[in-house]
Amino acid sequence: DAGVIQSPRHEVTEMGQEVTLRCKPISGHDYLFWYRQTMMRGLELLIYFNNNVPIDDSGMPEDRFSAKMPNASFSTLKIQPSEPRDSAVYFCASSSVVYEQYFGPGTRLTVT
Amino acid sequence: GQQLNQSPQSMFIQEGEDVSMNCTSSSIFNTWLWYKQDPGEGPVLLIALYKAGELTSNGRLTAQFGITRKDSFLNISASIPSDVGIYFCAGLVNSGNTPLVFGKGTRLSVIA
Repeated sequence: DAGVIQSPRHEVTEMGQEVTLRCKPISGHDYLFWYRQTMMRGLELLIYFNNNVPIDDSGMPEDRFSAKMPNASFSTLKIQPSEPRDSAVYFCASSSVVYEQYFGPGTRLTVT
Repeated sequence: GQQLNQSPQSMFIQEGEDVSMNCTSSSIFNTWLWYKQDPGEGPVLLIALYKAGELTSNGRLTAQFGITRKDSFLNISASIPSDVGIYFCAGLVNSGNTPLVFGKGTRLSVIA
């Protein structure tokens, strides 16, 4: 298996623009997680899905952030409009049980 | 909410030395995991612990699930340069649809 695939690996955008991050989980995994990592706050869980259904989105910072999982093999995290404080590395992870999570390589987002 | 405190935050060691790091919480966890993150990559699962008192090894790595269920330890023996990275502990309160809680990480540097 190729592991969790994320795209793009790097994104640089201007404040106010819409940003869409993409994730393909490992085939057969029922759980999908979106995390944000910064030096100040470490790894923060934003939202997670079980069988394509959002279970907990309490970590989503504000209404500018939204996530979807239209099918078992694809998820998106959208930020609209983006702000400089959104600059971070965003990770997608998937698992067959909630605790043994496998992470993707991350998307490094820079908002200028 | 639950928080995990990792220590030390960072450490510099000579190649060949043994390393110890720990993770503590004021809450009880039923599962502990240790992840390693290489620069520019996502965290990779090293060891999972499911039972209080459990001691598990993975090569030169050994982790223990504390008897009180409020702490866990990771030891690395005979460190090598590729051990460099950030080590995260993560805990799970119970099974089912509850997310992992991550510590802020211990940054390990190995001097050859």
